[in-house]
Amino acid sequence: EDQVTQSPEALRLQEGESSSLNCSYTVSGLRGLFWYRQDPGKGPEFLFTLYSAGEEKEKERLKATLTKKESFLHITAPKPEDSATYLCAVPVGGNTGTASKLTFGTGTRLQVTL
Amino acid sequence: GAGVSQTPSNKVTEKGKYVELRCDPISGHTALYWYRQSLGQGPEFLIYFQGTGAADDSGLPNDRFFAVRPEGSVSTLKIQRTERGDSAVYLCASSPGTGNEQFFGPGTRLTVL
Repeated sequence: EDQVTQSPEALRLQEGESSSLNCSYTVSGLRGLFWYRQDPGKGPEFLFTLYSAGEEKEKERLKATLTKKESFLHITAPKPEDSATYLCAVPVGGNTGTASKLTFGTGTRLQVTL
Repeated sequence: GAGVSQTPSNKVTEKGKYVELRCDPISGHTALYWYRQSLGQGPEFLIYFQGTGAADDSGLPNDRFFAVRPEGSVSTLKIQRTERGDSAVYLCASSPGTGNEQFFGPGTRLTVL
């Protein structure tokens, strides 16, 4: 069964304190791994797609990496505005290049304090 | 450009009532998805459309849930005989159809009293 597991469930950092969030997955034939950010009361906001092991993507203080079993979201020198829930997801079913549903992890709630 | 929009943003109803939730996808996106999110959980898939047809409805919990997309753009999720357990945030997403990046709307928070 396709599964996505995120850890930790919650993370509290001080401003400037770098850390990493983990997303491990079991899926047959990975066709991408997605990271989203979700603020309270809002829908998930797309951040990154990673397709193959070794791939890295960066956006401001965030860097996402992918191995054959897991993905990491590295947060460098976070600021309070980075506080949010970070979700990862993998597509299941369908074929490469076609639309398909996503299976999400339960997310990591990140709080960055001054 | 305009993102995915959903109406209403909040819906409070009584047990046993019928509700409709609307989603306007990003213009030109052929794929449209419905998810449900409970507190502290990730979104859970309900149904997705490719064009006007439901390509996968395996996530609908039972036959009280139904969705349509008659013209391949706007979609409506319909819930009959609502139950308290239906209370959740209902999220809609769309994608161009040729890749897998999905773009989400703000959600409709449904509360069944």
